[in-house]
Amino acid sequence: DIQMTQSPSSLSASVGDRVTITCRASRSINSLLSWYQQKPGKAPKLLIYEASTLQSGVPSRFSGSGSGTEFTLSISSQQPEDFATYYCQQTYRTPHTFGQGTKLEIK
Amino acid sequence: QVQLVESGGGLVKPGGSLRLSCTASGFTFSDYYMSWIRQAPGKGLEWVSYISRTSDYTSYADSVKGRFTISRDDAKNSLYLQMNSLRAEDTAIYYCARSEYSEGYSDYWGQGTLVTVSS
Repeated sequence: DIQMTQSPSSLSASVGDRVTITCRASRSINSLLSWYQQKPGKAPKLLIYEASTLQSGVPSRFSGSGSGTEFTLSISSQQPEDFATYYCQQTYRTPHTFGQGTKLEIK
Repeated sequence: QVQLVESGGGLVKPGGSLRLSCTASGFTFSDYYMSWIRQAPGKGLEWVSYISRTSDYTSYADSVKGRFTISRDDAKNSLYLQMNSLRAEDTAIYYCARSEYSEGYSDYWGQGTLVTVSS
């Protein structure tokens, strides 16, 4: 199975901060990497797909980059509604494994 | 608009069975791969299974292989997960989600249904 490792596991940030989350795959997954945002009690929401394509309706302050084994999700200016848990997922090979999540908290 | 609605969750004893359903609307169900993803209380997301558009291909996580069976009925716009030999560690919210292709991202998710395995 392909292991996905996110870092950090948690992060404290202030409104307006730039935030970066990293996701590493245990082997190359080309660009088959998605990012999801999940708020408490809600289903995950797709933010970024194919490593860098912004899902329709997602604010442009979110961006994704990377290919192969290393990927990043960036939020250019953290907003109050962005405090949530973020997950990466590879869809290169089944099982379509997720990272363990990064909880973004208010500083 | 696209909607996925899960149902069938509940409390079941260890060793018991449960069948989850996911009813789709607002899109052509037969055009999409469908997946089940679960989340244990307070934990991260775990991919469980998926099924191809024509049901000719299915895949399972090792943790559920041999115990869970995914299926679909395109005439009813429905996805199913038959869960047998349930264990305490299967306790989770179960989400269904759609993808355009086998390596595709899940762009829409249901709200989830809670399965609790406990004596």
